[in-house]
Amino acid sequence: KQEVTQIPAALSVPEGENLVLNCSFTDSAIYNLQWFRQDPGKGLTSLLLIQSSQREQTSGRLNASLDKSSGRSTLYIAASQPGDSATYLCAVPRGGTSYGKLTFGQGTILTVHP
Amino acid sequence: NAGVTQTPKFQVLKTGQSMTLQCAQDMNHNSMYWYRQDPGMGLRLIYYSASEGTTDKGEVPNGYNVSRLNKREFSLRLESAAPSQTSVYFCASRRTGDPTDTQYFGPGTRLTVL
Repeated sequence: KQEVTQIPAALSVPEGENLVLNCSFTDSAIYNLQWFRQDPGKGLTSLLLIQSSQREQTSGRLNASLDKSSGRSTLYIAASQPGDSATYLCAVPRGGTSYGKLTFGQGTILTVHP
Repeated sequence: NAGVTQTPKFQVLKTGQSMTLQCAQDMNHNSMYWYRQDPGMGLRLIYYSASEGTTDKGEVPNGYNVSRLNKREFSLRLESAAPSQTSVYFCASRRTGDPTDTQYFGPGTRLTVL
């Protein structure tokens, strides 16, 4: 059974810092890995998706990496801003397929203070 | 283009009552999903529907039923609510064959069972 773990559970940083969020998964036979953002009281927004054949994806100040062999992914946020404050979740398809049935980590609550 | 909409936004039930959570998407997506989110546990898949007329169980289906009424709508029914079903429920949709594999989430329904 695939298990996804995110560390740390919460993170508080001053504005301008570069930071790394971690995601680990137990079954390395994944099709892809996604990072989502969730604002308080809202649904999830997809940030980045890394296919199993890729090592990283970038979008603006966000960079996500994937190491299937070690079962790890990281989300790097450069020059953090208060607007980045949210919960960040990673997810992988269940059973290694791309049928969209996702297994989520517990999330990292990020607070960026001015 | 409203994306994924969910009704109601909030609901309080007494143990044993029944209710149906509604979800609709206007993106012509084939696949739709119901998740629940509990504190510290991330999101867990309840049921999904790969296409109109088909549904299948996810990770935590007990106590729930679903109906894929048409391509747009996917409802989740609690026949006899229990306090353990207090949670935030999210509906999501996805276009089959989308190379980005992106899931689009609704804003959620916050359900409390007393």
